[in-house]
Amino acid sequence: AQKITQTQPGMFVQEKEAVTLDCTYDTSDQSYGLFWYKQPSSGEMIFLIYQGSYDEQNATEGRYSLNFQKARKSANLVISASQLGDSAMYFCAMRPNAGNNRKLIWGLGTSLAVNP
Amino acid sequence: EAGVAQSPRYKIIEKRQSVAFWCNPISGHATLYWYQQILGQGPKLLIQFQNNGVVDDSQLPKDRFSAERLKGVDSTLKIQPAKLEDSAVYLCASSLVGTPLHFGNGTRLTVT
Repeated sequence: AQKITQTQPGMFVQEKEAVTLDCTYDTSDQSYGLFWYKQPSSGEMIFLIYQGSYDEQNATEGRYSLNFQKARKSANLVISASQLGDSAMYFCAMRPNAGNNRKLIWGLGTSLAVNP
Repeated sequence: EAGVAQSPRYKIIEKRQSVAFWCNPISGHATLYWYQQILGQGPKLLIQFQNNGVVDDSQLPKDRFSAERLKGVDSTLKIQPAKLEDSAVYLCASSLVGTPLHFGNGTRLTVT
């Protein structure tokens, strides 16, 4: 069965430091996409970064980068130079690129608190 | 580009009442999704539309929830009658085929 596991319910980081949020996934599909979303306390879900399973390079988007290790089935999010506004819930998600069931599979999320 | 628009932002109703949520997707996005997110959990897909056709509504409680997407653009999600366990954030999202989902601000529903 397809599954996303985020093992860190909560994380703390000092402002300006880097932080890694863990995500592992389970799938038998060969082609899939991995996503990270940020959800502030206001409730909106903000798309951060995408990694395709066949992409050879790790995705980067500003201060966000995705540490993709396909053999280990992990897709950790790295936030560099943390800011107070980074305090939020972070969700990892996966979607198969083929087949009839192409729903996004979501993890339970990691709550990040950035301390001044 | 304008993002996904949702209204209302907050809604408080009593159990057994009805409620409706509205969503306007990003222009040109053929795929529209409604998610339910209960506090402390990840989003749960309720229904997915491709243009004005339903792709997936397997997790929609059809005895009380209904959704429509007339003309393949705006969509409404209705709950009738509401139960206490329907208290959640209802998120609308849209996308082009195969691209990341873009979400609206959500509607926070409280059923008392």
